[in-house]
Amino acid sequence: DGGITQSPKYLFRKEGQNVTLSCEQNLNHDAMYWYRQDPGQGLRLIYYSQIVNDFQKGDIAEGYSVSREKKESFPLTVTSAQKNPTAFYLCASSIRSGIDTQYFGPGTRLTVL
Amino acid sequence: AQTVTQSQPEMSVQEAETVTLSCTYDTSENNYYLFWYKQPPSRQMILVIRQEAYKQQNATENRFSVNFQKAAKSFSLKISDSQLGDTAMYFCAFMREQETSGSRLTFGEGTQLTVNP
Repeated sequence: DGGITQSPKYLFRKEGQNVTLSCEQNLNHDAMYWYRQDPGQGLRLIYYSQIVNDFQKGDIAEGYSVSREKKESFPLTVTSAQKNPTAFYLCASSIRSGIDTQYFGPGTRLTVL
Repeated sequence: AQTVTQSQPEMSVQEAETVTLSCTYDTSENNYYLFWYKQPPSRQMILVIRQEAYKQQNATENRFSVNFQKAAKSFSLKISDSQLGDTAMYFCAFMREQETSGSRLTFGEGTQLTVNP
């Protein structure tokens, strides 16, 4: 089955630790995205990537880092520099960027203890 | 910068009835795309419907239809014959048309819809 997978579903982190969220897609999509969702709010863009080995900052990139070494994978690292990392994180992909619909994975709930 | 506003934080409807969710947006662009996504309790974001700004005809998908008013910058979602499974948070989203750089979705804050039996 084609789709977007995110793991883990729930993640707990101690303050001061870096943590990496996984996002994989087998849809052969070129573009991938990371969004953050806080309670009662819409989604905000963290990073996006149009092609392998290329990515751009979104609106709230501070404290986050990404890599895009493979077309299928776009992991997000939440660093200790992110002041308030507890949130729901959603990964999305589209055939290409620009005009195509984005489809979302099931999300990862990150809680900092 | 684009902004998307959903002025109804919560709405409720009886099963089998019709409900309309409102969305307005602000942009200086002429070519763009509008979306409605739903987020049920599972929190999976699911595409409901998409509208291209250059199309005058309103998009429809089964029980879901939109009323797109480009001049008024309004994009409402109508759900007919509401079902219990329609209970979800609904997000309106805007995307500029960009061929050569990344497209970002700008989301509204959402409307929580509850369908009552």
